[in-house]
Amino acid sequence: GAVVSQHPSRVICKSGTSVKIECRSLDFQATTMFWYRQFPKQSLMLMATSNEGSKATYEQGVEKDKFLINHASLTLSTLTVTSAHPEDSSFYICSASRQGADQPQHFGDGTRLSIL
Amino acid sequence: AQSVTQPDIHITVSEGASLELRCNYSYGATPYLFWYVQSPGQGLQLLLKYFSGDTLVQGIKGFEAEFKRSQSSFNLRKPSVHWSDAAEYFCAVGAGTYKYIFGTGTRLKVLA
Repeated sequence: GAVVSQHPSRVICKSGTSVKIECRSLDFQATTMFWYRQFPKQSLMLMATSNEGSKATYEQGVEKDKFLINHASLTLSTLTVTSAHPEDSSFYICSASRQGADQPQHFGDGTRLSIL
Repeated sequence: AQSVTQPDIHITVSEGASLELRCNYSYGATPYLFWYVQSPGQGLQLLLKYFSGDTLVQGIKGFEAEFKRSQSSFNLRKPSVHWSDAAEYFCAVGAGTYKYIFGTGTRLKVLA
């Protein structure tokens, strides 16, 4: 149990394009979902926390208008990188957890975003 | 301030040898502790977690970890490493409000 699916796994697009990444919890209801960014050979940087039906909470330094997060249901959260530029190229990973601080996060397989 | 330290950036062991990956944390309350493994280009897989109770926890793939409150440590161990264990390992602390603080990771290389 606790499977999280992230799609697409890889995106290559031109500068100025908006890109949407989906994160789905396949076999459980995810009260909270998280979006991370990971630079090569580095740890995960939390970008934002989203709770179903409410606005996402962004970490300091993360542009809300650049990285739009929607968590419309208990099984789906989306991250849209708006007007992407080469500096937005990165590995983006989502995670989901059930309700409760003792519930572990379960991670998707990540999305490799490359902006040309 | 809350933090997680993984002192070893890289570790190389021979296949069949024992393994210990270190993790130290700084957190004001009783922590929730986790170890994850990440293969190249993939997401993170949960190996094991500690919330309370027995300080020695067993995980998947033959891994175990021991919580030592006096040392603020949660080291990951495996008695005999397999070549497929080569990956990046992350220690994390549950920091309340469901957020994690991740360590910087330890990259494990396994020699045949």
